[in-house]
Amino acid sequence: KAGVTQTPRYLIKTRGQQVTLSCSPISGHRSVSWYQQTPGQGLQFLFEYFSETQRNKGNFPGRFSGRQFSNSRSEMNVSTLELGDSALYLCASSLTSGANEQFFGPGTRLTVL
Amino acid sequence: SQQGEEDPQALSIQEGENATMNCSYKTSINNLQWYRQNSGRGLVHLILIRSNEREKHSGRLRVTLDTSKKSSSLLITASRAADTASYFCATEGTGNQFYFGTGTSLTVIP
Repeated sequence: KAGVTQTPRYLIKTRGQQVTLSCSPISGHRSVSWYQQTPGQGLQFLFEYFSETQRNKGNFPGRFSGRQFSNSRSEMNVSTLELGDSALYLCASSLTSGANEQFFGPGTRLTVL
Repeated sequence: SQQGEEDPQALSIQEGENATMNCSYKTSINNLQWYRQNSGRGLVHLILIRSNEREKHSGRLRVTLDTSKKSSSLLITASRAADTASYFCATEGTGNQFYFGTGTSLTVIP
């Protein structure tokens, strides 16, 4: 069974631009969560999607948004990029929403210049 | 913040030795999970322990949970160079959100 895939793996943007990251969960998994990882703040929960609905949202500004499609694939969008948005963005999938084992993708390394 | 904390932040041991890392969290939980992350990569799930369990084993891993102290420990026995990674605990609070700890960076010297 293929694992979680994230595209692109690396991305360089400039301040003010917007970016869209993509995540394809493991086949059959319906929950997708997004995390931001930085050296200073560690791993922080962004949001979780289940059955195309946002179930939970972390403490991030409205510039961070996401969506999930009927095939469970998810996208995350960050608008008006700031230098502090430079991070490793990790996507995790699980069978259902809630306290289940999460399977992580390799991440997208975003650098904002 | 509901984020947990791992202790120590960094640990360096010789191959063959045991490695113990601790996690403290702040809120009540349904379960606690441990993950491993190799440098700059995604996280790999190691083990899940439920709030009504006190100890769990998986291969060379042993996890304990003390809900009264809101703490957990991960023991890796007979460590190998391939165990070099960062280890995180993750808790799921009442909001069904996952909170990851700050991580312990483990280096196993061959």
